Amino acid sequence: NAGVTQTPKFRVLKTGQSMTLLCAQDMNHEYMYWYRQDPGMGLRLIHYSVGEGTTAKGEVPDGYNVSRLKKQNFLLGLESAAPSQTSVYFCAAGRVGGLAKNIQYFGAGTRLSVL
Amino acid sequence: AQKITQTQPGMFVQEKEAVTLDCTYDTSDQSYGLFWYKQPSSGEMIFLIYQGSYDEQNATEGRYSLNFQKARKSANLVISASQLGDSAMYFCAMREAFNDYKLSFGAGTTVTVRA
Repeated sequence: NAGVTQTPKFRVLKTGQSMTLLCAQDMNHEYMYWYRQDPGMGLRLIHYSVGEGTTAKGEVPDGYNVSRLKKQNFLLGLESAAPSQTSVYFCAAGRVGGLAKNIQYFGAGTRLSVL
Repeated sequence: AQKITQTQPGMFVQEKEAVTLDCTYDTSDQSYGLFWYKQPSSGEMIFLIYQGSYDEQNATEGRYSLNFQKARKSANLVISASQLGDSAMYFCAMREAFNDYKLSFGAGTTVTVRA
């Protein structure tokens, strides 16, 4: 019963380095999301996808890129990491929208430090 | 403008007592959904309870209930008979119909249950 799996769980980068965070879901949900969590600010949406091959910007997209080549995977890339990107990153997956009780299910998070 | 406001950064509650976590929201949409998530110290985000804007009854899930006051735009979470395992951060979130892919989160409330 994996649900949403994020890799890696922890990572330390130097300023300017690049990396990719992987999110995989086994629930066959259409929507996938990347959030970042910073102290005192709740979760903020970085990018999201409403289906395979689609991506869109959220509230705080600068410095990040995403790809959704397969329905079950959503990748978040940092091309040139900056200290301001030190955060905890969460991936989530959910069914198609509307006002039904469409819950977003979250992964365990990736703790990223940029030095 | 802040869509979700949680005014209590931290709360202490005695074991077996009830605790109410405040959440107010801001939307001009008539159709929306309200969610509460729990984040224990291990970091994962756990869905607790959902209330739709057209639901006439307050939502309940076991020891969790949502005190929904639509006219006041509040969606307070009540945890009855607190347990030590309830110690966690709690987030209120909203999804609006016109923005139905996206959850807007509050800053969270930390609850500490004392034995």
